[in-house]
Amino acid sequence: EVQLVESGGPLVQPGGSLRLSCAASGFSFSNFGMNWVRQAPGKGLEWVSFISRSSSPIYYADSVKGRFTISRDNAKNSLYLQMSNLSVEDTAIYYCARDRDAFSTSSCPDYWGQGTLVTVSS
Amino acid sequence: DIQLTQSPSTLSASVGDRVTITCRASQSINTWLAWYQQKPGKAPKLLIYKASNLEIGVPSRFSGSGSGTEFTLTINTLQPDDSATYYCQQFSTYPRTFGQGTKVDIK
Repeated sequence: EVQLVESGGPLVQPGGSLRLSCAASGFSFSNFGMNWVRQAPGKGLEWVSFISRSSSPIYYADSVKGRFTISRDNAKNSLYLQMSNLSVEDTAIYYCARDRDAFSTSSCPDYWGQGTLVTVSS
Repeated sequence: DIQLTQSPSTLSASVGDRVTITCRASQSINTWLAWYQQKPGKAPKLLIYKASNLEIGVPSRFSGSGSGTEFTLTINTLQPDDSATYYCQQFSTYPRTFGQGTKVDIK
């Protein structure tokens, strides 16, 4: 069974930094591209970042480019999102999501984690 | 960036009705479109990929169609469990973008 479990989302002050993790199991993690998608309270879905199975290429939404860094450790079946210079607008539930098709950069997420809430507030 | 516009934003329908949601792209995305269902407090669930392909395990009352810039998600014979918000997403180019969502209520 595919499982994605996010962690690392406590309260952080504006301007602060935070690292999210996503532990993957139940599939060959190294064969799939991975995404971070976020959802502000009461709002719609916003795609944040994608990392291919080999860590290149990597893509970001304009709203986080230069502030967020996606990475992965295939040996540990883990995905990460390093977030810096956080603002209140970054407050959201952050989901990690696996791309549906292995060995592809042209796919869509199929499995999603339960999400981790990141709150940016003073 | 490619913009996706869904219509309507909300709709209310009765059990057994046929419901159609439209997603329009600001430029051609071929068939690189997915549809998701999200219920309150839950992660999104993939329903349709590549515009018209039903994901495994999704009831056959859901169907998708379209190509280029106009796409539709149809729910035949609406069920109480279909009360949710539905999103389209394009995966033609980066940044991948979502529509703003369509909330479906059951009368």
